[in-house]
Amino acid sequence: EAQVTQNPRYLITVTGKKLTVTCSQNMNHEYMSWYRQDPGLGLRQIYYSMNVEVTDKGDVPEGYKVSRKEKRNFPLILESPSPNQTSLYFCASSLWDRTEAFFGQGTRLTVV
Amino acid sequence: DQQVKQNSPSLSVQEGRISILNCDYTNSMFDYFLWYKKYPAEGPTFLISISSIKDKNEDGRFTVFLNKSAKHLSLHIVPSQPGDSAVYFCAASARNNAGNMLTFGGGTRLMVKP
Repeated sequence: EAQVTQNPRYLITVTGKKLTVTCSQNMNHEYMSWYRQDPGLGLRQIYYSMNVEVTDKGDVPEGYKVSRKEKRNFPLILESPSPNQTSLYFCASSLWDRTEAFFGQGTRLTVV
Repeated sequence: DQQVKQNSPSLSVQEGRISILNCDYTNSMFDYFLWYKKYPAEGPTFLISISSIKDKNEDGRFTVFLNKSAKHLSLHIVPSQPGDSAVYFCAASARNNAGNMLTFGGGTRLMVKP
């Protein structure tokens, strides 16, 4: 089954404690990205990657890091989480020449 | 400043009637538009799209209309069904060297009453 898998689905952490949210896709897609969803703001892109070892900032990259060492994986790293990073996060992937992105089920992060 | 706006945060419609969800954009470089549907506790799923070279695209009960001069698009659902109750996001894309970046609107929650 074609899918994008995120883990964990839910996470509560404390300010400053490093965390990683994993994302994996099994569709051999070149393009992967991370979004955060906040009320009234829709989904805003954090980082994206056009292929292995190629990453770039989206609209709201501050406080986040990513890496793309393998085509299927695109982890999101919060080195020092803060309460304003409490949000619902989605990973997405798509073929290079298509914009119909497939989304994971989301990770609800709470930073206290 | 939001480049893609959905000015109605919610919409309530009776089953069997038409649902019309609206979206406005400001960036003239956008050339591809999409609608996504999102149920609670799930990720958004692609619904329908339209290229800027067209003004209408239809897929079953779903039709998207694009008015480039007004920078406006709309999604029509006919007839509406209770299972259509979800949050709908409008998204836009501008083909450039940076790849398939999607800019999303804030979403409209559709409630279809039986």
